[in-house]
Amino acid sequence: TQLLEQSPQFLSIQEGENLTVYCNSSSVFSSLQWYRQEPGEGPVLLVTVVTGGEVKKLKRLTFQFGDARKDSSLHITAAQPGDTGLYLCAGATFTSGTYKYIFGTGTRLKVLA
Amino acid sequence: NAGVMQNPRHLVRRRGQEARLRCSPMKGHSHVYWYRQLPEEGLKFMVYLQKENIIDESGMPKERFSAEFPKEGPSILRIQQVVRGDSAAYFCASSPPTSGLITDTQYFGPGTRLTVL
Repeated sequence: TQLLEQSPQFLSIQEGENLTVYCNSSSVFSSLQWYRQEPGEGPVLLVTVVTGGEVKKLKRLTFQFGDARKDSSLHITAAQPGDTGLYLCAGATFTSGTYKYIFGTGTRLKVLA
Repeated sequence: NAGVMQNPRHLVRRRGQEARLRCSPMKGHSHVYWYRQLPEEGLKFMVYLQKENIIDESGMPKERFSAEFPKEGPSILRIQQVVRGDSAAYFCASSPPTSGLITDTQYFGPGTRLTVL
């Protein structure tokens, strides 16, 4: 059974601090997505990473895909209260002509003003 | 360019009734996925459909739950004889046809929150 473990599960920090969220698996993925979900809403796609070692930046957010395409990290610089939410990673595998997605356990971030 | 649409956003049912959740994928998307999310938890895969076909239903309970994605119209997740344990947020996601490209991404709808009294 494929599993994607995220750490930490919960994180409460002060505005202006930096943080890193990790997404780990023993499986290799063809791509990996990061989503942010706010209460009462659906997950919103932040980024897709495809190539091992790839780094993508989205303003204060930096995403990295591990060299072996088994893990990923999300780093937020100078966190703001607007970053509060549930962060989910999802790994995609391509088998028999179709994609299957495995979601991580989620990291619940709270940024205090 | 509308995103994934789900309705209703909120649904209240009494035990034993049927719940029907609808999902209209993004324009041009032919793949639909249904997920369930309990409070304070992540997303649990239920079923993956393409037009008129169920591709993977490994996450769907064997009884009372069914899903379809007809040639015309939205995808429907049906829960018969609901029980309190069915109360959850149900999310639909869609993705474009597989084109052989490495990247393939799901886009989520806003969800349907089912409450069973």
